[in-house]
Amino acid sequence: EDQVTQSPEALRLQEGESSSLNCSYTVSGLRGLFWYRQDPGKGPEFLFTLYSAGEEKEKERLKATLTKKESFLHITAPKPEDSATYLCAVPPGGTSYGKLTFGQGTILTVHP
Amino acid sequence: GAGVSQTPSNKVTEKGKYVELRCDPISGHTALYWYRQSLGQGPEFLIYFQGTGAADDSGLPNDRFFAVRPEGSVSTLKIQRTERGDSAVYLCASSLGEGQPQHFGDGTRLSIL
Repeated sequence: EDQVTQSPEALRLQEGESSSLNCSYTVSGLRGLFWYRQDPGKGPEFLFTLYSAGEEKEKERLKATLTKKESFLHITAPKPEDSATYLCAVPPGGTSYGKLTFGQGTILTVHP
Repeated sequence: GAGVSQTPSNKVTEKGKYVELRCDPISGHTALYWYRQSLGQGPEFLIYFQGTGAADDSGLPNDRFFAVRPEGSVSTLKIQRTERGDSAVYLCASSLGEGQPQHFGDGTRLSIL
């Protein structure tokens, strides 16, 4: 069964204090890993897709990287507006792409 | 609208009642997904449509849950004989096709009293 585990469950940073979030996965034949941001009372907002080990994607203060076993979301010099829950998800192994298996998320709080 | 639209945004009903939740996907997106999210958890897959047909309904918890997408656009998730354990946020997403990023609506918060 596909599994996605995120750590830490919660992370509190001071504004400007860089850090990383981890997403570990077990799926046979990874065919992509998705990162989302979710604000309270809202649906997940798509950030990145990574398809192969070694790939990196960047958007403003966020950079996502992928290895064969895990993905990291690096946050450089965060601001309070980066506070949110960050979710990662993978599609199933095999031939079906449709459903995503999500981790439980990391709640990021950035203090001014 | 530009994004996925879900109605109602909130629904409160009594145990045993029937509810319908509506999802209007992004125009042109052929794939549509339903997920359920409980507090402090990631979204949990329910069902996935490609066009009008359910391509994967393996996440539906039991036969009280049913979803349709008759014209390949709007979808309705139907829950019969609601139970208190059905209380959650029901999220809908759509994508251009399989393997493409899924874009989510803001969900329907369902509360069963």
